[in-house]
Amino acid sequence: DIVMTQSPLFLPVTPGEAASISCRSSQNLLDDNGYNYVDWYFQKPGQSPQLLFYLGSNRASGVPDRLSVSGSGTDFTLKISRLEADDVGTYYCMQSLQTPYTFGQGTKLEIK
Amino acid sequence: QVQLLQSAAEVKKPGASVKVSCKTSGYSFTYYGISWLRQAPGQGLEWIGGIRANSDETQFAQKFEARVTLTRDTSANTAYMELKNLRFDDSAVYFCARAYLSTVPFDFWGQGTQVTVSS
Repeated sequence: DIVMTQSPLFLPVTPGEAASISCRSSQNLLDDNGYNYVDWYFQKPGQSPQLLFYLGSNRASGVPDRLSVSGSGTDFTLKISRLEADDVGTYYCMQSLQTPYTFGQGTKLEIK
Repeated sequence: QVQLLQSAAEVKKPGASVKVSCKTSGYSFTYYGISWLRQAPGQGLEWIGGIRANSDETQFAQKFEARVTLTRDTSANTAYMELKNLRFDDSAVYFCARAYLSTVPFDFWGQGTQVTVSS
């Protein structure tokens, strides 16, 4: 199985500042068609997860442009600028290259 | 609007089976696959398996394959997950999630169903 490793696991942030979450995969997620098979999800406390980005950099509906992703192959980054209280929760990366789809451990973003 | 409404919480004894339903509305069920995932208390997300759109083709994580059955009833726009031979560590919130044509990415999720395995 492909192992996804996120860092940091806990991220205290100040409103208005920026945050960055790293995700590393144990295998290359870049397919021959040029897509990176990595998706990002966000889960607020007590709620179901929601899709943020899919196939690398495709933004899901309703996701603000304060959020962005970068990276290719095995190393990926989710960046959140101008942090808001509503950004508090846990962020997960997931590989969708092969089954079983596997998630990173999650990065819990908290307000300082 | 798109909705995936899951069945109510269940409490089961070890060795029993549980069947969770995921009733969908607001979109064309035939064009979307359904994946099932779970989240143990305080833990991350784990993909169990999925059933593709327009077919009964299923995919499973190997650790669940022997114990899980995934089905879909197109006439009722509903998907089902049955997990057999329950163990204490199967206690978790189980989610269904839809994916266009395939089993990923998961663009809408159900609200989750708490399954508790207790003697």
